Amino acid sequence: GESVGLHLPTLSVQEGDNSIINCAYSNSASDYFIWYKQESGKGPQFIIDIRSNMDKRQGQRVTVLLNKTVKHLSLQIAATQPGDSAVYFCAENRSGNTPLVFGKGTRLSVIA
Amino acid sequence: GAVVSQHPSRVICKSGTSVKIECRSLDFQATTMFWYRQFPKKSLMLMATSNEGSKATYEQGVEKDKFLINHASLTLSTLTVTSAHPEDSSFYICSGWMNTEAFFGQGTRLTVV
Repeated sequence: GESVGLHLPTLSVQEGDNSIINCAYSNSASDYFIWYKQESGKGPQFIIDIRSNMDKRQGQRVTVLLNKTVKHLSLQIAATQPGDSAVYFCAENRSGNTPLVFGKGTRLSVIA
Repeated sequence: GAVVSQHPSRVICKSGTSVKIECRSLDFQATTMFWYRQFPKKSLMLMATSNEGSKATYEQGVEKDKFLINHASLTLSTLTVTSAHPEDSSFYICSGWMNTEAFFGQGTRLTVV
């Protein structure tokens, strides 16, 4: 299940199940959105991105959905594996070569 | 993909000393690089924008005299934490864009004792 509190929200899933991580972004002018995975003590690792002219994009085992009407982004991970355990951040950007604005992050915990 | 190399990955320093963190773009030139700070269990927060050949732009609440940024070449930006205090302990990450993708350094874990 998912919990939200003073710490990062945590999503716990069974190995092999699908995971859905949600993010609300803030700037309606943002036109580029990215999901990052961050493991402990490391920098963010690119997972998948999507531009505002699309509402869905698929990668290997991952799908990003964009709903501009409600400024919502989601990351779906199929057949979640223990190696997927990490903190996931969404980030938004406008016009490239400008700072990314990161969401709060969600900790994904995969139960073997 | 492009590589951003950040060094050191971990540093422990005494209160009152200064620490320099380097961020290099290894296979692309970056006129602009971004420095972020991340507290435990928190998200990345932009500290400043480093501009090659000109002054850095700092976010509100970030002391420019404490966090000195130098971007002397198209492949190197440095962040110096001056007169470090324990509350400066954090994870610092740099980022640069190549074409339409942002690349991040490995991050630097700073611990001030």
